[in-house]
Amino acid sequence: ETGVTQTPRHLVMGMTNKKSLKCEQHLGHNAMYWYKQSAKKPLELMFVYSLEERVENNSVPSRFSPECPNSSHLFLHLHTLQPEDSALYLCASSQDRGAGGGYGYTFGSGTRLTVV
Amino acid sequence: LAKTTQPISMDSYEGQEVNITCSHNNIATNDYITWYQQFPSQGPRFIIQGYKTKVTNEVASLFIPADRKSSTLSLPRVSLSDTAVYYCLVGGDLNSGAGSYQLTFGKGTKLSVIP
Repeated sequence: ETGVTQTPRHLVMGMTNKKSLKCEQHLGHNAMYWYKQSAKKPLELMFVYSLEERVENNSVPSRFSPECPNSSHLFLHLHTLQPEDSALYLCASSQDRGAGGGYGYTFGSGTRLTVV
Repeated sequence: LAKTTQPISMDSYEGQEVNITCSHNNIATNDYITWYQQFPSQGPRFIIQGYKTKVTNEVASLFIPADRKSSTLSLPRVSLSDTAVYYCLVGGDLNSGAGSYQLTFGKGTKLSVIP
């Protein structure tokens, strides 16, 4: 366990479904992130939250909607996804927004999403 | 954002020392250099971070020359379990300027350890 827990680990959803990914960190970190990792592609930063405020949205389609109710929880709400959205979705946290102050980012194990 | 360049892949035999070099010619003054390890279907795991000279922990060493335009991750006596993708990233902290805090992952180096 890394201290960042993601659920579910696997998710299969239809293009008309609505689902949510959950991330919880028990590290007392102040920043949380969503990354997307498609097959044979680098990790893509999607959203950044610092102290529950969204500070970055990297041109992500509106069918992905993040929510950060407090500094320990992060959600990614999904609706009307496309098959090309199938990927590994990773949540990460860091002490502060940035390089991580000597400890970097702590990642969860990810949610493997398949859109059918 | 500073771009990084790493070899796509490397092979090594068990027990050998492995050195993976990363180029980051446009590194900013306040940027740190961080290395991560990723196994299939898992999130990246922090290995080591440095700013200049040499940093060592229980897992690896990081060598950074004075100009900071490159860095080398050194893994001593690798084992089969070290087979993974290794990422080099550069990025700053909260006060280092807008945008520089984003840790942008490249394609990484796929290390294969051979028995």
